Amino acid sequence: GQQLNQSPQSMFIQEGEDVSMNCTSSSIFNTWLWYKQDPGEGPVLLIALYKAGELTSNGRLTAQFGITRKDSFLNISASIPSDVGIYFCAGRTSGTSYGKLTFGQGTILTVHP
Amino acid sequence: DTEVTQTPKHLVMGMTNKKSLKCEQHMGHRAMYWYKQKAKKPPELMFVYSYEKLSINESVPSRFSPECPNSSLLNLHLHALQPEDSALYLCASSRLAGETQYFGPGTRLLVL
Repeated sequence: GQQLNQSPQSMFIQEGEDVSMNCTSSSIFNTWLWYKQDPGEGPVLLIALYKAGELTSNGRLTAQFGITRKDSFLNISASIPSDVGIYFCAGRTSGTSYGKLTFGQGTILTVHP
Repeated sequence: DTEVTQTPKHLVMGMTNKKSLKCEQHMGHRAMYWYKQKAKKPPELMFVYSYEKLSINESVPSRFSPECPNSSLLNLHLHALQPEDSALYLCASSRLAGETQYFGPGTRLLVL
């Protein structure tokens, strides 16, 4: 089946630092989604990407849909304590029945004040 | 408005109990999903409903029984669960199946 390799698995950074995480796949995806999940809550959609090469920003967050359609990255600039959480990438291929998403394993982000 | 609501927030049940989880959205979405999530793991798809019809059942045990009474509501009926079924149960919806999914806050289930 399809798999997404998300890295890094965890990050420990100081407040104010920039963060970068990425997902890669051996399969081609036509949609990439990035979610953030706080403990005990549901994933919240951060950014959705629909075209190869697309670069989209949402405040301090920037994500890109790789040209090969097999990867995506998420950058967070000037991190703050509330950025703490688990970040998941998710992808969907055109051949997926009923929009089934493939999720990465998540990046656990810790921000030290 | 991209809100999906779920009730209850927390649920504790014994292995002989019958309980139900409820999910609601008023965004006019025609696809709704149930996921199970263990701690620090990604969500695992359980069921997909499209236009109130069950489209995908990811080989989920029959002790989980989904129901979609109308386009805004999705229920998950639970019966004779096992302790390993303890998890966060997430509901999601999308405008149509295959489009971007929006998640609810989840129900934290503990089976004793």
